Parts: sequence; C-alpha cells; structure tokens
Amino acid sequence: AQSVTQPDIHITVSEGASLELRCNYSYGATPYLFWYVQSPGQGLQLLLKYFSGDTLVQGIKGFEAEFKRSQSSFNLRKPSVHWSDAAEYFCAAFHSGNTGKLIFGQGTTLQVKP
Amino acid sequence: DVKVTQSSRYLVKRTGEKVFLECVQDMDHENMFWYRQDPGLGLRLIYFSYDVKMKEKGDIPEGYSVSREKKERFSLILESASTNQTSMYLCASSTSETQYFGPGTRLLVL
Repeated sequence: AQSVTQPDIHITVSEGASLELRCNYSYGATPYLFWYVQSPGQGLQLLLKYFSGDTLVQGIKGFEAEFKRSQSSFNLRKPSVHWSDAAEYFCAAFHSGNTGKLIFGQGTTLQVKP
Repeated sequence: DVKVTQSSRYLVKRTGEKVFLECVQDMDHENMFWYRQDPGLGLRLIYFSYDVKMKEKGDIPEGYSVSREKKERFSLILESASTNQTSMYLCASSTSETQYFGPGTRLLVL
C-alpha cells in the first residue's frame, strides 16, 4: 500500500542548530512530495513541494528539502533553527493514480530549546 | 495568495445536535477536502469533492455528510454530533495536486 513515514515523532533541537526531519515514501512510481508546517492551533501551511527536476527544492522560511530516489526519501532541512520554527511538520505524497488524494505522514513535532 | 476560510475557529455543541462546518475558498479550485486531526492519528480524510454536487467518501466518512452546492463552498455536516467527533477539522482546496488549508475548526462535543 502507498504510504508516507515520518520516523521521528518528536525532535528537540537548540536554537541556532541545524535541523533535519526525515520522510520516506512507499510508492510504485515517484509521487509528488510536499512538506507542510502546522503551528499550534492553526491550519497547515505549505513549506515546499517537489514534482520533478532539481532534487533540492527551496521553500519558505529558509527550509529546503532533498529528494533521493534511491532512498525513497524527501528530508526537510534548515541550517539554523529559530524559536518560531517550533511546530508540527507533515510530509505528504500525491499520486494521480490515487484519486488525487494526499497521503500524509504522522507528523513530527519540533521543539526548540533556547 | 490562495485563501481558504472556515466559518468558526472554535465550536462547542451538545451531543445529538446537528452541526454545520463551512469552508470557503476564493481561488476557483475544483477540489475540496475535509479532514479531521487527532493526536497520534494524524490527518484523516473524511470526504472530498472534485466538482459541484460531486462528493467522494474518504477514509472515515461514518457519521458525516457533505454538501457542495457552489464551487467555492464545501460544508461538512454532523447529523447527530457525538463526543467521539470532538476533534480539529481542517478544510483544504486544490486545483490538482497542491492542497491549501484553512485555519481549522476545533469542535468540542459535550
């Protein structure tokens, strides 16, 4: 079955440290891939997306993600985390053969230590 | 910018009440979605619609219905609210693959 896995439920990093959130997908073909962020009590905001082409994609708020076909991964990175980045992060995949639905990972909660 | 709005940020209802959650998008998107979000369960798709008056069941449609009379508006209906429907409800819209979300409605059923 098609699935998206975020292995880390909760991550804590210090402010100013680098960040990498992991995402793996299980699909027959390369899906479209997304990262969303959700601040407490808010809806989901699109950070970035990958459809094809350059495997390193830039997003908003200083985030980037790298698609690695060989590892079926789409990890999210930020070189220096700010306290305002504390939120929940969702990886998602879209495949047109799946009636157009997004498949979400379970989410990773990021805590930022001062 | 795409804007998706939801009629209420917070709602408190009684068991057995009929509840309407409204979602409006301003980008002429064909597709609209309703999710619920619960701790430890992530986002689960309730219903979606790919055109006016068209609807498809998602993963957890039981206890819910939807209405889409106009392209910009997608309503989620709880015919008889129950305590296990206490949750965060998120609406989204899309043209094809990229979904844009509203701010969410936190519903408490007492």
